[in-house]
Amino acid sequence: DQQVKQNSPSLSVQEGRISILNCDYTNSMFDYFLWYKKYPAEGPTFLISISSIKDKNEDGRFTVFLNKSAKHLSLHIVPSQPGDSAVYFCAAPLPFGNEKLTFGTGTRLTIIP
Amino acid sequence: GAGVSQSPSNKVTEKGKDVELRCDPISGHTALYWYRQSLGQGLEFLIYFQGNSAPDKSGLPSDRFSAERTGGSVSTLTIQRTQQEDSAVYLCASSFSGKWDEQFFGPGTRLTVL
Repeated sequence: DQQVKQNSPSLSVQEGRISILNCDYTNSMFDYFLWYKKYPAEGPTFLISISSIKDKNEDGRFTVFLNKSAKHLSLHIVPSQPGDSAVYFCAAPLPFGNEKLTFGTGTRLTIIP
Repeated sequence: GAGVSQSPSNKVTEKGKDVELRCDPISGHTALYWYRQSLGQGLEFLIYFQGNSAPDKSGLPSDRFSAERTGGSVSTLTIQRTQQEDSAVYLCASSFSGKWDEQFFGPGTRLTVL
């Protein structure tokens, strides 16, 4: 049972434009969310996170927005660059066991030069 | 090495055989995690080691799966009597403190069970 869902398996965006990756969750007890980025043949790397006490967290070109009422978060990348082409995973620590992460199925982002 | 390493990078085995997957965490990291990603699925937590504490095995899908961590460093994930549904990429991660935002992942082992 997927508690974290990424409904778009792939996304293509023109270089320089904004990339928006979406993530929905079902467990209202989640209080922290993370985005990981994964290149082929490599493990995921941590990108950015957000606590449920915030609705926005920004780090350079990357911004994550959280809408708790809708149980939805999104990752914005502006401007998109070719090196951003990767698979992006949304994740959340499981309640009462917050060392363990539950991940979405990922969205493959392709930046078109 | 600077990062988490895993071996082998690819493993093809026949149904019913046992396999061992190895993970070398970053030196000094006390926490070690195993995850797997099956086709079309997200990363699924399997097992978590933290220091000398008893491991959290709550994610292991069956008793055919086991893992150990020797000397608080290298870990081996063993799958006995492999089944085709065990085919997946098995990822290992380590962290210094057990905090989830500091997990560093290895490149994974792609297991194919024929």
